[in-house]
Amino acid sequence: QQQVKQSPQSLIVQKGGISIINCAYENTAFDYFPWYQQFPGKGPALLIAIRPDVSEKKEGRFTISFNKSAKQFSLHIMDSQPGDSATYFCAASGGLYSSASKIIFGSGTRLSIRP
Amino acid sequence: NAGVTQTPKFQVLKTGQSMTLQCAQDMNHEYMSWYRQDPGMGLRLIHYSVGAGITDQGEVPNGYNVSRSTTEDFPLRLLSAAPSQTSVYFCASSYSPGGGGYTFGSGTRLTVV
Repeated sequence: QQQVKQSPQSLIVQKGGISIINCAYENTAFDYFPWYQQFPGKGPALLIAIRPDVSEKKEGRFTISFNKSAKQFSLHIMDSQPGDSATYFCAASGGLYSSASKIIFGSGTRLSIRP
Repeated sequence: NAGVTQTPKFQVLKTGQSMTLQCAQDMNHEYMSWYRQDPGMGLRLIHYSVGAGITDQGEVPNGYNVSRSTTEDFPLRLLSAAPSQTSVYFCASSYSPGGGGYTFGSGTRLTVV
């Protein structure tokens, strides 16, 4: 019930295309859903996050779509660029300031954008 | 603002040796954690701490010890290194276990031969 399942494990997209990474969760108490971006040799860094009271959040070319009834959320990267090539992790927790629910990470997606 | 600082960046150990990976944060975060990252395995939680003097085990704690004597520091000790502990280790900190302000260090790449 604490797992966050992420797919695909790896993804290759042509430059200018749309990259889509999906995550699913089971714990309905989860209240905070961030995405992290990790470049080679670096630690993951917060990219964008959403709470379940909205169905979509957009920041530049990055959009999170959230489906509360299906317990799924996804990251869409529009007009994908070679500089977007990185590993992406979805995550979930009981809340941004929750003291009871640790953040749980998905298994990661290695994204490669071909020129 | 340094954020989360990990040392060393690279380390090679012989089987059976012990060592300590250092982690320090300057954001006054209460929650700190250690992960290991292996190809195809994502981020696996080793140990975590919700405040000074309080630590607990994560998903893969065997072979590792931690302590939290101050808010700033959270060292990870390998007691007797094994080749299976070859990995990249990340320390992270946040306001709370829920992940507010979650910040990762730049990692330590450890090889055990």
